[in-house]
Amino acid sequence: AQSVTQPDIHITVSEGASLELRCNYSYGATPYLFWYVQSPGQGLQLLLKYFSGDTLVQGIKGFEAEFKRSQSSFNLRKPSVHWSDAAEYFCAVAPRGAGGTSYGKLTFGQGTILTVHP
Amino acid sequence: DTAVSQTPKYLVTQMGNDKSIKCEQNLGHDTMYWYKQDSKKFLKIMFSYNNKELIINETVPNRFSPKSPDKAHLNLHINSLELGDSAVYFCASSQVRIGYEQYFGPGTRLTVT
Repeated sequence: AQSVTQPDIHITVSEGASLELRCNYSYGATPYLFWYVQSPGQGLQLLLKYFSGDTLVQGIKGFEAEFKRSQSSFNLRKPSVHWSDAAEYFCAVAPRGAGGTSYGKLTFGQGTILTVHP
Repeated sequence: DTAVSQTPKYLVTQMGNDKSIKCEQNLGHDTMYWYKQDSKKFLKIMFSYNNKELIINETVPNRFSPKSPDKAHLNLHINSLELGDSAVYFCASSQVRIGYEQYFGPGTRLTVT
């Protein structure tokens, strides 16, 4: 069965420091890959996605992620964190192609809480 | 203009009651979803409808019944509420033909007492 693992439950960084959030997946074939962010009391906002092509994808708010097929990873990075980035981050995967019972089904990781110190 | 909206935002009710949560999207998407986020923030898909047809039905108690009157609406009705149903329920939508980029609503926090 497919699964998504975010090894870090909670990460604390200082404002201005760089950030990397880890995501590993277990899947039969390379899935579609996503990162979402959830601020307290809010819904989820899509940061970026990987479907195909360039393995380094750019997203909103200065985030980027790199897909590494050999490591089954899709880590999220930001060169300089802002206090407003404090939130919970979710990695998610969905099967390629359409049809069948997995049609559009997103499987989420457990989430990583990011705390930013001034 | 809210893309995916849910009502109500908060719902507090007693065990045994029946309640509904409504979701509407104005993005013109053809697929809508319900997710449950438990107290540990774990998100799990419950149902998905594509063009009003149920296509994903995860292992969810049959007290939960989704209904899609049209492509823009997906409601969730819950019978005989239990304490364990307390969670945040998120609605989402996507246009699956252009990938699985799902847009989420703000969530409905359900508290069963």
